[in-house]
Amino acid sequence: NAGVMQNPRHLVRRRGQEARLRCSPMKGHSHVYWYRQLPEEGLKFMVYLQKENIIDESGMPKERFSAEFPKEGPSILRIQQVVRGDSAAYFCASSPLTGSSGANVLTFGAGSRLTVL
Amino acid sequence: AQKVTQAQTEISVVEKEDVTLDCVYETRDTTYYLFWYKQPPSGELVFLIRRNSFDEQNEISGRYSWNFQKSTSSFNFTITASQVVDSAVYFCALSGPNTGNQFYFGTGTSLTVIP
Repeated sequence: NAGVMQNPRHLVRRRGQEARLRCSPMKGHSHVYWYRQLPEEGLKFMVYLQKENIIDESGMPKERFSAEFPKEGPSILRIQQVVRGDSAAYFCASSPLTGSSGANVLTFGAGSRLTVL
Repeated sequence: AQKVTQAQTEISVVEKEDVTLDCVYETRDTTYYLFWYKQPPSGELVFLIRRNSFDEQNEISGRYSWNFQKSTSSFNFTITASQVVDSAVYFCALSGPNTGNQFYFGTGTSLTVIP
C-alpha cells in the first residue's frame, strides 16, 4: 500500500527555467495539499485540490506558481521562471476526507527539494 | 490568529535520557485539532498523533507521551528513554474549522540523540 509518492526527490534548475513537481496521493485519497518548507521554517500551506478542482489556493504566490490535479494522473505543482527564492522543499499531502473541520490527518510524501542556481 | 510556536530550535540529549518538546498554540476556535509529525533525516513527515480540543487526557504510546493543557495552550511531547532513532525534526501543527484547509505548523524542533 504505497504512500504519497513525490517526484523528483531532487530538482536543480537555473534561474528562469520551469520546475514541475509531481505528486500521486495515497490509494483511496482524493484530496491533495501542497506545502512549502523554506530553510529554518515550518511548512507553509500553498494549495488544496480535489480531482479537477482547486479548492483553496490562498497560500499560492500570485505569479509564476500554478497547481493542478487532473482526472487522470498525478497532481502537479508548476513553477515558471524560477528564482533563487523558490529554493525549498515542496511537500505534498493527501487525505481521504472532505470538509474543512480541520480533523483530517494528512499523509505526507517525502518531499521534492528544488534548488535554483 | 492561528499560530504555533516551538521555541526550542535544537535539542541534544544523550541516549536514554528523557526529553520534552514544547508546543504552544494560539487560536480563536473552540474546536480545534493538534498534531505532531516527525521528520527523520530521510525527509518524509510521519504522523504521530492527533488530539482534539475537547480531549485533555494525556496520551501515552510506548516511549512517547503527550501532555495537552488548554489552560496554557500547550501540547508538549515527551520521549522517554530516548534512542538514536528518535533523532529527527519534530513539528507541532494546528488545524480547525476556521483554518480553512490549512495546517499551521510550528518551525520545528531538531532533536539529536547522542549515543
